[in-house]
Amino acid sequence: GAVVSQHPSWVICKSGTSVKIECRSLDFQATTMFWYRQFPKQSLMLMATSNEGSKATYEQGVEKDKFLINHASLTLSTLTVTSAHPEDSSFYICSARGGEQFFGPGTRLTVL
Amino acid sequence: AQTVTQSQPEMSVQEAETVTLSCTYDTSESDYYLFWYKQPPSRQMILVIRQEAYKQQNATENRFSVNFQKAAKSFSLKISDSQLGDAAMYFCGGNQGGKLIFGQGTELSVKP
Repeated sequence: GAVVSQHPSWVICKSGTSVKIECRSLDFQATTMFWYRQFPKQSLMLMATSNEGSKATYEQGVEKDKFLINHASLTLSTLTVTSAHPEDSSFYICSARGGEQFFGPGTRLTVL
Repeated sequence: AQTVTQSQPEMSVQEAETVTLSCTYDTSESDYYLFWYKQPPSRQMILVIRQEAYKQQNATENRFSVNFQKAAKSFSLKISDSQLGDAAMYFCGGNQGGKLIFGQGTELSVKP
């Protein structure tokens, strides 16, 4: 099956700093990628839809200035958490659509 | 809009036995599909099974099968001959306008 990677898999940062998470489709091109957030023992919450070459579409309640998404190529989307705070600590998962959706392994963000 | 409800937060099954996870949904889409994803402790999302709504025949994948009742908007997952590796969070869901909508999840434990 198709492979989606995320980097880093785990990141710890200080409050007030920005963190960038990369999502790559390794063996297929994806015009559309998705970013999810997941708290422990809870479901995946869609944050935004990332379209190559255009602005991301954010779900209601998600701050677009806080969570910057860039989809500069058909194989790479990035999520930047700006001025991170402890409440941003979570598990972030991306998926890429190549026919069906393929999920990355996730990134655990801890903000101190 | 689509909603997905999993009413069983936790389920337990004895190894080699059969277990059924429940899921109900509501959708305004005329062309949709439903799915079950598994999320083991590694947190990698793994597609277990997918059902196109227009197909009357229930989907099966080895030990996994679904009972799709379209009129009742029910989509349950049956796991036969349960194995220790089946222990995971299971998410039911469906597509809506290109996005995936997930239920709350059911945590399945398998007793040896």
